[in-house]
Amino acid sequence: EAGVAQSPRYKIIEKRQSVAFWCNPISGHATLYWYQQILGQGPKLLIQFQNNGVVDDSQLPKDRFSAERLKGVDSTLKIQPAKLEDSAVYLCASSLVRGQINEKLFFGSGTQLSVL
Amino acid sequence: QKEVEQDPGPLSVPEGAIVSLNCTYSNSAFQYFMWYRQYSRKGPELLMYTYSSGNKEDGRFTAQVDKSSKYISLFIRDSQPSDSATYLCAMMAETSGSRLTFGEGTQLTVNP
Repeated sequence: EAGVAQSPRYKIIEKRQSVAFWCNPISGHATLYWYQQILGQGPKLLIQFQNNGVVDDSQLPKDRFSAERLKGVDSTLKIQPAKLEDSAVYLCASSLVRGQINEKLFFGSGTQLSVL
Repeated sequence: QKEVEQDPGPLSVPEGAIVSLNCTYSNSAFQYFMWYRQYSRKGPELLMYTYSSGNKEDGRFTAQVDKSSKYISLFIRDSQPSDSATYLCAMMAETSGSRLTFGEGTQLTVNP
């Protein structure tokens, strides 16, 4: 079974530039998550999609971050403009269904963003 | 105050040692408790999952939850060099819509 695919693997940008990350979840997984993991910290949920609808974006800094999930499959996360404090690993995860509280999440390897 | 507190380590043990990893939490609504393992430059992977209080064993791994003390533990018996990773505790409340709250992770090194 193929895992969660993310690209690019690494990205270096200067502050105030924009950047986009891409995620392809496991085939058939209805729920998709974007997490931010700052060095030395645990992952923090940014946004959760069920199919192509947003179900939780309460922790997404909406003034600079946006995300979409087209046709309920792939997703992109964008930052515009980037700040120094956005330097982190951006993890995408997927799960089969939502509604089952103990549904197992499968994580991708992440995109490591450095903002200079 | 953070909702979930976890000693970041680093923790270094010899091969074969018993490892104890711990988290405390403040949100009494947490009902689901998980341990994830994260290798360097990889995403977290689920190791153990426990609902409410009690123990759960899976091979060399045992997860314990004490809700009265708001304290969870992961024990690794006969630790191996391949266990070297960062271990993240994670918790979820029934009302959170499957949102996980993670600890900051404990970095473990098992020396051959």
